[in-house]
Amino acid sequence: AQTVTQSQPEMSVQEAETVTLSCTYDTSESDYYLFWYKQPPSRQMILVIRQEAYKQQNATENRFSVNFQKAAKSFSLKISDSQLGDAAMYFCAYSPRTSGTYKYIFGTGTRLKVLA
Amino acid sequence: EAGVAQSPRYKIIEKRQSVAFWCNPISGHATLYWYQQILGQGPKLLIQFQNNGVVDDSQLPKDRFSAERLKGVDSTLKIQPAKLEDSAVYLCASSLELHTDTQYFGPGTRLTVL
Repeated sequence: AQTVTQSQPEMSVQEAETVTLSCTYDTSESDYYLFWYKQPPSRQMILVIRQEAYKQQNATENRFSVNFQKAAKSFSLKISDSQLGDAAMYFCAYSPRTSGTYKYIFGTGTRLKVLA
Repeated sequence: EAGVAQSPRYKIIEKRQSVAFWCNPISGHATLYWYQQILGQGPKLLIQFQNNGVVDDSQLPKDRFSAERLKGVDSTLKIQPAKLEDSAVYLCASSLELHTDTQYFGPGTRLTVL
C-alpha cells in the first residue's frame, strides 16, 4: 500500500531560525510527484513546494526548500528565516501517476508553531 | 484569478439529517476532487471528476454519500443520512486537467453532526 508518514505531530521554531519537517513515503512506483501544503486555521490548503521524482535537483521556493532522497523515500521540508505567518499545519502529499491521472495521498500533518 | 469557492463554510446538523455542499472550481479546470478531512488527519480523497464524468469514487461511501457535476463545472456533494462519524472538513480541489499534477484547494466546509 502507498502511504505517507509524518512522524512529527508538532514542531516549534524561534522566529528567524530554521526548521526541518520530515516526511517519508512508501511506494513501488517510479513516476510520481511530491508536495508540501500549508493549512492555516482558515483551512485553505496552500501549495508550498512541489518536487518531480525524476528530477534529482531539490526544489526551492524562496525560504522553502526540500531534501529529496529518492532511494530512502524521504522528502523533508526546510523553512529558513521562519516568520510568524509560517505557523500552520503542514501536510506532505504523494501523487503517483496512475493510468495517466494523479491522486494525492496525504500524511497526517505536522503542526508548526513559530515563537516570537 | 479567482480560486476554488465552497459553501457553506460551516454546517451543523443532527444525525440522520441530510446535507449538501457546493463547490465551484477555478475557471477552466476540468478535474475536480472532493476530500474528507477528519480532525487530526490528512485529507482523504472521496471522488474525482473529469468534466462531468466520475474518474474514481472507490473511497466514497455510496450508501450515504453522493456527488454530481452535471455541467462539468460546479459540483455538489451530498450526505443522506448523516452519521456522527461524518463530522469533518470537506475540501474541494481542482486541477487544470486529468494529467496535471498540481491541485488547488478551496477553503472547505466544516460539518458537525450532533
